[in-house]
Amino acid sequence: RKEVEQDPGPFNVPEGATVAFNCTYSNSASQSFFWYRQDCRKEPKLLMSVYSSGNEDGRFTAQLNRASQYISLLIRDSKLSDSATYLCVVNPTGANNLFFGTGTRLTVIP
Amino acid sequence: GAGVSQSPSNKVTEKGKDVELRCDPISGHTALYWYRQSLGQGLEFLIYFQGNSAPDKSGLPSDRFSAERTGGSVSTLTIQRTQQEDSAVYLCASQPWGRSYEQYFGPGTRLTVT
Repeated sequence: RKEVEQDPGPFNVPEGATVAFNCTYSNSASQSFFWYRQDCRKEPKLLMSVYSSGNEDGRFTAQLNRASQYISLLIRDSKLSDSATYLCVVNPTGANNLFFGTGTRLTVIP
Repeated sequence: GAGVSQSPSNKVTEKGKDVELRCDPISGHTALYWYRQSLGQGLEFLIYFQGNSAPDKSGLPSDRFSAERTGGSVSTLTIQRTQQEDSAVYLCASQPWGRSYEQYFGPGTRLTVT
């Protein structure tokens, strides 16, 4: 079983729509969770961390459900510039590296 | 300031040849990671360097892969006797001390083995 699993999409949504991505992780001891964004043929970049209590950064809201080992990212009022692949990332306790999901591809349509 | 740089940006090589990929991390970052990303796949961890500690090589897929980090800065990933399945984008990331989530990635080297 993969450490991190995501729905690959693609998600095609109109501008202004709200879209949500989900992700599950297999290691219950994981302590740190993140969303990275990767534009086409570019490197991944940190979008936001995911905290137990849930957190918001502008139009982006991240939530964590430890009991279900589930992470989500909600994007409100989608912009064309939000088009990218969103990577769910987990750092299991004691691990040196991050585990990346395969990503969910989002296209925002005018 | 300068970000992570990698060279070459693209490399085409024949099966069986050796290749070297270079990574220049952000100055002052203590940790350095190599990942690879194949088409439609997630990032696959290869190796991790932290300061002067022994590297974590647990992600290297075979003994044809090796990496060095000289002087705690520049790193070289070497693939010997390349195979077609080695074709991928090889990404390097550096990280400030104590911030395990905040990895800064280079633009990657796209390796094609023919």
